[in-house]
Amino acid sequence: AQSVTQLDSHVSVSEGTPVLLRCNYSSSYSPSLFWYVQHPNKGLQLLLKYTSAATLVKGINGFEAEFKKSETSFHLTKPSAHMSDAAEYFCVVSSSSGNTPLVFGKGTRLSVIA
Amino acid sequence: GAVVSQHPSRVICKSGTSVKIECRSLDFQATTMFWYRQFPKQSLMLMATSNEGSKATYEQGVEKDKFLINHASLTLSTLTVTSAHPEDSSFYICSASIRQGSDTQYFGPGTRLTVL
Repeated sequence: AQSVTQLDSHVSVSEGTPVLLRCNYSSSYSPSLFWYVQHPNKGLQLLLKYTSAATLVKGINGFEAEFKKSETSFHLTKPSAHMSDAAEYFCVVSSSSGNTPLVFGKGTRLSVIA
Repeated sequence: GAVVSQHPSRVICKSGTSVKIECRSLDFQATTMFWYRQFPKQSLMLMATSNEGSKATYEQGVEKDKFLINHASLTLSTLTVTSAHPEDSSFYICSASIRQGSDTQYFGPGTRLTVL
């Protein structure tokens, strides 16, 4: 069984300050892990993906995430928040074999204050 | 690359009518397509998985006669909400993967369904 826990339902940061969105996972398989972003009334855009290669994954728009097996975590970070980063972020787990469906976390809403 | 479109983006219908939502992969062939439902301020819930040319696999609790899925080609899947009721109002999102067993899905922009 697989599950994802996003530890914060809402995170608020000031523009130009670092962003940290936390995610812990549970997986019986070797996991693939993803972060997706969803702007209001829009579909999901893939930010980055981990599939057992480098543990530090760089994504689009300056985001990156580090896979820590010992902590079963896959936290999303960005050094400096922009106003355009305000959105809903989903941490997602799947099996690296691709034979299990995506399991979504409940989402973290990121607000960026000017 | 890997663009998925949905049509319509927004639909309002009367209770009791049926609504069809299309999901297309524009620049790749999608052997597998997925349909999700998202309630306001909540996460995505997988409704069903469809492979081209075969019957869709529905998740537990999803009525297959209510939500008809057809995956007639490698670039098109349709979701028909039959005899829609206000509780079917939701945001429906499709996704597609390039090959069966791939763990990367590309998502469409979603369809907002409102049933009056």
